[in-house]
Amino acid sequence: DAGVTQSPTHLIKTRGQQVTLRCSPKSGHDTVSWYQQALGQGPQFIFQYYEEEERQRGNFPDRFSGHQFPNYSSELNVNALLLGDSALYLCASTLGASESYTFGSGTRLTVV
Amino acid sequence: DQQVKQNSPSLSVQEGRISILNCDYTNSMFDYFLWYKKYPAEGPTFLISISSIKDKNEDGRFTVFLNKSAKHLSLHIVPSQPGDSAVYFCAASMNTDKLIFGTGTRLQVFP
Repeated sequence: DAGVTQSPTHLIKTRGQQVTLRCSPKSGHDTVSWYQQALGQGPQFIFQYYEEEERQRGNFPDRFSGHQFPNYSSELNVNALLLGDSALYLCASTLGASESYTFGSGTRLTVV
Repeated sequence: DQQVKQNSPSLSVQEGRISILNCDYTNSMFDYFLWYKKYPAEGPTFLISISSIKDKNEDGRFTVFLNKSAKHLSLHIVPSQPGDSAVYFCAASMNTDKLIFGTGTRLQVFP
């Protein structure tokens, strides 16, 4: 049973560029959340998607946007990249409102 | 505003001894608390959780204690094993809302 799958595992982007990160939830899960983990920090909540709608949003600017597809997979888009966006981006899935989240291994984004 | 705090960035414990990881929170509305373990190059893995209606939850070598009056929870690992060496994150939520994480404590268990 595959867990949460994220792609790519690493990427390097230049300031001002745009990036799209992808996530496939664990089988049977329908809710996807995205977190940003900066170096030395805990994961910070970006937003959560359920039934293809953004259900909750953390304190992140509009440059961060997302999407959920009918098969429950999700994308995180970041526009106008800043150096400070360099971080590990984690995707977590769950079923409905359960607090039992399964995390992926993350995408390491480096902005230069 | 850091609502969940882990004030010890690191902890070193001898194999076989008890590891105690601490976490403090500021929001009394939190009703669910979790501990996650994270190895390098992997995502956080759920370890154990506790509802605010309880003060203790046990799962094998892992026990979480919740002191609501002090807004404090702790994770006890007994006995500690080298494979327990990882970063441990405390997280909290309210009304099945998003998880709010602490900054993590790096546990090293040495022989």
